[in-house]
Formats: sequence, structure tokens, C-alpha cells
Amino acid sequence: GAVVSQHPSRVICKSGTSVKIECRSLDFQATTMFWYRQFPKQSLMLMATSNEGSKATYEQGVEKDKFLINHASLTLSTLTVTSAHPEDSSFYICSARVGGFSFDEQFFGPGTRLTVL
Amino acid sequence: AQSVTQLGSHVSVSEGALVLLRCNYSSSVPPYLFWYVQYPNQGLQLLLKYTSAATLVKGINGFEAEFKKSETSFHLTKPSAHMSDAAEYFCAVREGYGGATNKLIFGTGTLLAVQP
Repeated sequence: GAVVSQHPSRVICKSGTSVKIECRSLDFQATTMFWYRQFPKQSLMLMATSNEGSKATYEQGVEKDKFLINHASLTLSTLTVTSAHPEDSSFYICSARVGGFSFDEQFFGPGTRLTVL
Repeated sequence: AQSVTQLGSHVSVSEGALVLLRCNYSSSVPPYLFWYVQYPNQGLQLLLKYTSAATLVKGINGFEAEFKKSETSFHLTKPSAHMSDAAEYFCAVREGYGGATNKLIFGTGTLLAVQP
């Protein structure tokens, strides 16, 4: 099956620094990737939709200047949390979309736990 | 707008007992419906999906779900719970094929505990 990886799996950083999270589709090409965040004991909230070669589409209430998304290739999307603060601490999950004539599915990465001190 | 409601944030069953996790959806267009499982500190794994074919959908690990349009429900069941089924389960909806968006909308999740 389709495999999506995320790196790093865990990251701890100081307040004010920036953190980059990578999302890769390992055995398929994904024109669309999605970024979610999940607070403890809560559901996944879609942050943005990332399309290869174009600007990401952010959900309402998500600061695009704080959460920079780059989708430079068909197998890699990155999320950079800029000037991170403790309230940005969360579990970030990406997914990659595989679509065709009669098939459309998202495959999820294992997630990245961000802790901002 | 589409949405899903999962009744019961916590469900506890005994090992070997029936598992029933409830999900009701709201959609103005024919929906695609999904059940995902999440183990601690991991991403989501697809259990099963409904995409307008058979209303009774069988998934992995012995789970199945039935799409009932009249009840706008897509409840997840498993005849006999196993200790390894303990996890968080999410129901999700998106517009069916040909819809304007392929965004998934998730429910709030149900944490399943399995007692020995």
C-alpha cells in the first residue's frame, strides 16, 4: 500500500525558533497533500491543502505567515512553523492524496509531535 | 456544509463482546464516508470506506460498517472485541466523487477501551 513518512517524529524547540516538518510519499506521487494538527484528546483539524507547484490553500483561522507550506515536488511537502510558541505545541499529521478516474484516497503519515518550550 | 457526529467519546467493552461505535453524518451531496483508527502517537490508518457502492462495507481487522441513508448513519461494528482493538476511532466524511472538494471532515473521535 501507499506509504507516507514524516520527519522528524518528535521535535522539541525553544520559543521563537522555527521548525520544519517534512512529509514524503514514498512509493507514489501526490499532487495534493494535506496538513492537519491534533491537540491532545481532540480530532484532526485541517490546516491547509498543499498542491504541487502552487500556493497552499489555508483553512479559515490558520495563519499562513506562521505556518509556511512548500510543495516543491510530487513526493515532498514541508510545513515550517515560524517563531514557534508554546501554544503551537501539537501533533502535526500530513496526508497525501492519490486520485484517479474512480479512486480518491488519502494516506496518512505517522505524525510529528512538536513541543515548544 | 458537511459534518460528522460521533456519539460517545469513550466506549468500553469486554474482550469478546460486540463493538459498536456510532457515527452520524450531514451532507447535502452524496457522501463518501470513512472510518480511521489511531493508535497512541501514531497517524491514522484506514479501516474502511463507503463510496456509494455496497451499503455494507467490510474493512480490516474484522470491522464493518453499514451506510444507512434514511438514518444518515455509518456505525462501525465488530462482533468480538480483541485487546488490540483498543485505540481511538475517527469517522470522516467528504464529498463524493465529482464533488467540489476532497477535504476530509473528521468527527471528534471515540476512544475504545477493551477490558480483559
